[in-house]
Amino acid sequence: AQKITQTQPGMFVQEKEAVTLDCTYDTSDPSYGLFWYKQPSSGEMIFLIYQGSYDQQNATEGRYSLNFQKARKSANLVISASQLGDSAMYFCAMRAGGMDSSYKLIFGSGTRLLVRP
Amino acid sequence: ETGVTQSPTHLIKTRGQQVTLRCSSQSGHNTVSWYQQALGQGPQFIFQYYREEENGRGNFPPRFSGLQFPNYSSELNVNALELDDSALYLCASSRTGAATNEKLFFGSGTQLSVL
Repeated sequence: AQKITQTQPGMFVQEKEAVTLDCTYDTSDPSYGLFWYKQPSSGEMIFLIYQGSYDQQNATEGRYSLNFQKARKSANLVISASQLGDSAMYFCAMRAGGMDSSYKLIFGSGTRLLVRP
Repeated sequence: ETGVTQSPTHLIKTRGQQVTLRCSSQSGHNTVSWYQQALGQGPQFIFQYYREEENGRGNFPPRFSGLQFPNYSSELNVNALELDDSALYLCASSRTGAATNEKLFFGSGTQLSVL
């Protein structure tokens, strides 16, 4: 079964500091993609970063980086230099290859991040 | 480039009623998928439409149905509403909906409350 697990319901971080949000995944497909989305109170899911299962290097997008450890099946999101606007829900998601599953994203339960001034 | 738009933003219905939610996909995208997000949970996949045909469905009963139109906009219909249908319904569009590296572009959702 394919599954995403986010074990941190809530996190606090001081403004300007870095924070790591945890994500572990489970799939038997060798080809898969891992995504992180941000959901502010407005409800829209905003794409942050993507990591492919065959990518040799960790993905980076500005202040966001993905710590991809394939053997441990983890894909943690690192936010550097936190800003007040980073306060939101963060979801880890996976799309696995294969005819039966490649069309949907499987989401974790999310982590609520609060940035303190 | 216009983004994904959903209407209405909020809706209140009573148990047993029917509801239709609407979504306009992002320009250039021919795939639309719908997700249900209950309070405090991650989104759950309902179904996906590619070029007006349903090509994937999650674990939702048949009273959840959809349409995709030639302009790639989409509707989600829910019949015989139940209290547990109260949730944020998110629409997402993408180019093909079938590549592992393809990101989805989401709308802001429709918040449905069933009383």
